Amino acid sequence: GAGVSQSPSNKVTEKGKDVELRCDPISGHTALYWYRQSLGQGLEFLIYFQGNSAPDKSGLPSDRFSAERTGGSVSTLTIQRTQQEDSAVYLCASSLHGSVGLYQETQYFGPGTRLLVL
Amino acid sequence: AQSVTQLGSHVSVSEGALVLLRCNYSSSVPPYLFWYVQYPNQGLQLLLKYTTGATLVKGINGFEAEFKKSETSFHLTKPSAHMSDAAEYFCAVNESLIQGAQKLVFGQGTRLTINP
Repeated sequence: GAGVSQSPSNKVTEKGKDVELRCDPISGHTALYWYRQSLGQGLEFLIYFQGNSAPDKSGLPSDRFSAERTGGSVSTLTIQRTQQEDSAVYLCASSLHGSVGLYQETQYFGPGTRLLVL
Repeated sequence: AQSVTQLGSHVSVSEGALVLLRCNYSSSVPPYLFWYVQYPNQGLQLLLKYTTGATLVKGINGFEAEFKKSETSFHLTKPSAHMSDAAEYFCAVNESLIQGAQKLVFGQGTRLTINP
């Protein structure tokens, strides 16, 4: 597609429920990233997928968070048993190759999913 | 680990005036630095980036930034502000310079307001 798309754009859920957030990267991009933007913490890296390599999950805040990327394209971020502190904007980004040697690529961001946990 | 500090969470300038948004970084290796802009209810858009080479980097919408290693700074400037520049601006450093995840470490952001 023309850009990174995310769905839903807004999600309101009750504490304790599970939520799934979807990201469609730019067609042909092999690297995909999830970030979280919250009032208290700013923008934080969550997880990174590069091709068929094992994902870098070092930014996930707890084991309630997980993500998968099927077929090297679409990614789903799942938050189980949501808590109020999970309320944030979840941003997805993609880049063409990820990190290849020392070449630093531009990450293209989607519009985000605004999650509110009541 | 790398870190980024943006001085001033809010900056207000008059239309036509100079825009200066400050960014200082901490890094134990040569940094790759970025400025992103976020308009209301939109994702982040890359303004410019510094990797290697010329330390004065020009970006979109008339913005530029200068990498100063001695000052560990990467301030963003624009000579003449326009109303459409009102947005939130984020400075970021790439935490990983070896093959692997390009984890961007962001500053807290600076909200720019333009007064008519």
